[in-house]
Amino acid sequence: DTEVTQTPKHLVMGMTNKKSLKCEQHMGHRAMYWYKQKAKKPPELMFVYSYEKLSINESVPSRFSPECPNSSLLNLHLHALQPEDSALYLCASSLGQGVYQPQHFGDGTRLSIL
Amino acid sequence: RKEVEQDPGPFNVPEGATVAFNCTYSNSASQSFFWYRQDCRKEPKLLMSVYSSGNEDGRFTAQLNRASQYISLLIRDSKLSDSATYLCAVTMEYGNKLVFGAGTILRVKS
Repeated sequence: DTEVTQTPKHLVMGMTNKKSLKCEQHMGHRAMYWYKQKAKKPPELMFVYSYEKLSINESVPSRFSPECPNSSLLNLHLHALQPEDSALYLCASSLGQGVYQPQHFGDGTRLSIL
Repeated sequence: RKEVEQDPGPFNVPEGATVAFNCTYSNSASQSFFWYRQDCRKEPKLLMSVYSSGNEDGRFTAQLNRASQYISLLIRDSKLSDSATYLCAVTMEYGNKLVFGAGTILRVKS
């Protein structure tokens, strides 16, 4: 079982809805990440949080808004998404943001935009 | 040129076979290297970190060649349960930005 927990597992929403994805880890990791993965493609980095501060934003549209309330939690707030945003959204964590720290993934939220 | 490139396969091998995958990376400043496996509709799971000296974990051996900028994964005595997509991942020189290759599909058949 993965030690990074994501909820919900599946989400269907309309383009005008507002929803949030949640990610939680209790491994004492201080870096957390959001990735987007389209079918038959590799994961692509969206955001990196290190010690609860946003350190990397890969030019993600503002309709995606990350939040890190504490060292164990990471949220991704969604608003006015487009059909092309349908994908698997993966959260990951690592002990720190050092380059040698492997990242461990949650099992993802499968998002469909109608 | 893509930052990280892999042969997409699929590699179709019989049980018990030895199979090897390569992955090339373009940025010579890349710092760290990993292999993940991903089953269909599941999350990537860390298989191995790859060190300069090479490392082995049971049937799996990973190698890094910095001069030629590639990493490899060798699987010995393939099992049906090894069937998956194998993703190589490379950390760029800043932060912990992990860039994945497109993945190599392995199918082990009885």
